[in-house]
Amino acid sequence: DAGITQSPRYKITETGRQVTLMCHQTWSHSYMFWYRQDLGHGLRLIYYSAAADITDKGEVPDGYVVSRSKTENFPLTLESATRSQTSVYFCASSDLGARADTQYFGPGTRLTVL
Amino acid sequence: KQEVTQIPAALSVPEGENLVLNCSFTDSAIYNLQWFRQDPGKGLTSLLLIQSSQREQTSGRLNASLDKSSGRSTLYIAASQPGDSATYLCAVAQRGETSGSRLTFGEGTQLTVNP
Repeated sequence: DAGITQSPRYKITETGRQVTLMCHQTWSHSYMFWYRQDLGHGLRLIYYSAAADITDKGEVPDGYVVSRSKTENFPLTLESATRSQTSVYFCASSDLGARADTQYFGPGTRLTVL
Repeated sequence: KQEVTQIPAALSVPEGENLVLNCSFTDSAIYNLQWFRQDPGKGLTSLLLIQSSQREQTSGRLNASLDKSSGRSTLYIAASQPGDSATYLCAVAQRGETSGSRLTFGEGTQLTVNP
């Protein structure tokens, strides 16, 4: 089915481990985004990408790394997971960026860091 | 820094009632404002997008208004139904060279429509 998918949907890991969250979209949208959602903070932007090989920091980028070698994929890596990174992570995409276009969200990945 | 506030945080109404959700933002230099719906354990679904030059948008029983000068938006839901129960999120796209693609979200209003 066309759309935006995330994997895994649930992940439990330990402090200090590296974790990669995957995001894949089938629309060939130019823009892709990673958000985290936490009680008391709402959704906050971690990183975004305007095209393949173009990425930029959002509001809370520390501790995260992204790459975008292909238009359809935008993986998010936690290089050394910490408990404060326990959260629900959402990937989103849009064709024209937030300036003029709707963002379409994936179903989310619930990450628990023990 | 843009801040988005949604009031109330939670709302419970009987089926059939018309209701209004409020969103306010601190910086009026925006490209657009979007309303999303989030069901428990699910991602966000876009409901309405209002460009900064527009005053309102309508989709079915939903009507969203935008008053950029006062930094306010409202989402009006007519004849509410139990299926409308969800969290409603407001988000603004901020102007600026480095922030033109960013959305700033409010924390949402959790709506419960009782049969």
